[in-house]
Amino acid sequence: SQTIHQWPATLVQPVGSPLSLECTVEGTSNPNLYWYRQAAGRGLQLLFYSVGIGQISSEVPQNLSASRPQDRQFILSSKKLLLSDSGFYLCASSRRAGQKETQYFGPGTRLLVL
Amino acid sequence: AQKITQTQPGMFVQEKEAVTLDCTYDTSDPSYGLFWYKQPSSGEMIFLIYQGSYDQQNATEGRYSLNFQKARKSANLVISASQLGDSAMYFCAMREGFYGGSNYKLTFGKGTLLTVNP
Repeated sequence: SQTIHQWPATLVQPVGSPLSLECTVEGTSNPNLYWYRQAAGRGLQLLFYSVGIGQISSEVPQNLSASRPQDRQFILSSKKLLLSDSGFYLCASSRRAGQKETQYFGPGTRLLVL
Repeated sequence: AQKITQTQPGMFVQEKEAVTLDCTYDTSDPSYGLFWYKQPSSGEMIFLIYQGSYDQQNATEGRYSLNFQKARKSANLVISASQLGDSAMYFCAMREGFYGGSNYKLTFGKGTLLTVNP
């Protein structure tokens, strides 16, 4: 079965500092990968998704970027964090087996920008 | 317009009873998928059930079943025999586009907070 790792689990960063969140996937190959953000008490907002190495689609304009240097590695970055970047960041991987489809999520990273 | 609508911000159910969480969706794409996730207070998103737009039968996974009414564009989650551990936030989500395609992505509803009372 698929396992998604995210680190760090929690991060407190000052405004204007850089960011790098990493997501790695085990147990599958060539997955679709996703970065979501969840503000406190709200639903999930899709930030980026990738259908392959080097292929990144951005859903919302922002100061974040994503990269996929390897098949099972997805990185979320920022050069200068804003207060509004605070939130819970979730990485997800999708998999299809026949007609059944699943999307698995990692444990998430809680980011607080001060 | 919202693509996924969950009209119940909060629901209460007595332990061992069944509960239905509502979800309606909006899409013009003939190929789509519907998901339900559970998010306990720990924050992890737990996959519960999936229904494809071309699936003829309603999906079931243990105590979870999806009441798929395509013409009404609704995909309600039914939890049978509720347990205290079912207390959590529940999200409905929709995938539009073909799996692996360049426009493949999930859109989430705002969620329903379910509380199971002993």
